[in-house]
Amino acid sequence: EPEVTQTPSHQVTQMGQEVILRCVPISNHLYFYWYRQILGQKVEFLVSFYNNEISEKSEIFDDQFSVERPDGSNFTLKIRSTKLEDSAMYFCASSVSAASSTDTQYFGPGTRLTVL
Amino acid sequence: GDSVTQMEGPVTLSEEAFLTINCTYTATGYPSLFWYVQYPGEGLQLLLKATKADDKGSNKGFEATYRKETTSFHLEKGSVQVSDSAVYFCALIHQGSDKIIFGKGTRLHILP
Repeated sequence: EPEVTQTPSHQVTQMGQEVILRCVPISNHLYFYWYRQILGQKVEFLVSFYNNEISEKSEIFDDQFSVERPDGSNFTLKIRSTKLEDSAMYFCASSVSAASSTDTQYFGPGTRLTVL
Repeated sequence: GDSVTQMEGPVTLSEEAFLTINCTYTATGYPSLFWYVQYPGEGLQLLLKATKADDKGSNKGFEATYRKETTSFHLEKGSVQVSDSAVYFCALIHQGSDKIIFGKGTRLHILP
């Protein structure tokens, strides 16, 4: 069964450094998402992406964050200058059509980001 | 704003016990409701969903009914197995939005 994959599984970085989290969505999916879960807290929506544009973003997704689909298979989340509070599990997801149509979002296993 | 509240875990049960994980929501309008499950080392997987009031979602022996009058979507299973040990997330999404709103998750341990 096709699945969403994410690399790396764990990323450790120093505060102020840039990190890029990578995701390979399911191949025929057109909508892509990032969520994060700070330890002990809820899974929170960050951003959705379709047709090379952000379609929706949360208040968490400020200028420090950016997303990109650099080629036909990868979807990346970049954090320009990491802060301690960016430490979290980051989940990528994808869906065939817009989630608002109640199409299922398929999630990857997550990347644990630790900022020191 | 919209939110989902689910019972605190961890929940520990013996194999073949009856399971209920409570979930209530606060939302305007008529969101779609979901239960996601996360097995150790894996991503969030959709377990079941319901898109309108009184709908019952079911999968792998789990069931949940969309109750508009009590704003609830409790997860139930009649006889749990060790393999059901996982974290369960209740969630909602509004028509016209891409954003899934999750509860905090409930860790379930099933003892043999």
